[in-house]
Amino acid sequence: GQNIDQPTEMTATEGAIVQINCTYQTSGFNGLFWYQQHAGEAPTFLSYNVLDGLEEKGRFSSFLSRSKGYSYLLLKELQMKDSASYLCAVRGGGANNLFFGTGTRLTVIP
Amino acid sequence: DVKVTQSSRYLVKRTGEKVFLECVQDMDHENMFWYRQDPGLGLRLIYFSYDVKMKEKGDIPEGYSVSREKKERFSLILESASTNQTSMYLCASSSPGQGISGNTIYFGEGSWLTVV
Repeated sequence: GQNIDQPTEMTATEGAIVQINCTYQTSGFNGLFWYQQHAGEAPTFLSYNVLDGLEEKGRFSSFLSRSKGYSYLLLKELQMKDSASYLCAVRGGGANNLFFGTGTRLTVIP
Repeated sequence: DVKVTQSSRYLVKRTGEKVFLECVQDMDHENMFWYRQDPGLGLRLIYFSYDVKMKEKGDIPEGYSVSREKKERFSLILESASTNQTSMYLCASSSPGQGISGNTIYFGEGSWLTVV
């Protein structure tokens, strides 16, 4: 089966950097996604990693190590609007579906 | 932009009622999904479909059924709603293939269902 772990909650200060970790166990790994979800809204796509290394997209970066079953999402220059839940999702399993972690709720404080 | 539209944003139904949640996508995606999201449990896959008239069970199909008569429309059906089905339901779609474009799932706005 699939197992995805990420911290439940994190708090960080406006303007700072925060790293949200995700560890996973899955068969047939075929990519890792990060989604952002504001309260009461649908998740929106942030990043996709399928090879080891760092993918950078503006203030957001995502890292993957397949051998360690580990990823992180790095948010730089935090803004108040970054307060949201961040969902780690792994594509894998026999049907190649997307399996989600429970999400990390990030609170950005002034 | 990909648009996934769920017909009802908020519903309140009585125990035992039959409930239909409708979802339409406008990007000609082959793949469509229904998830439910609950606090502390994250997103859990109920059913998915890779083509018209095809359906596959996800992780928690019990108490649900689906219908995919047209490519753009994927319906979730609760035959006899129960209070433990109170949740937020998210429809999603994607296109098949490899790489980021073939794997990215796009979500609808969500349907908040309360069963009393």
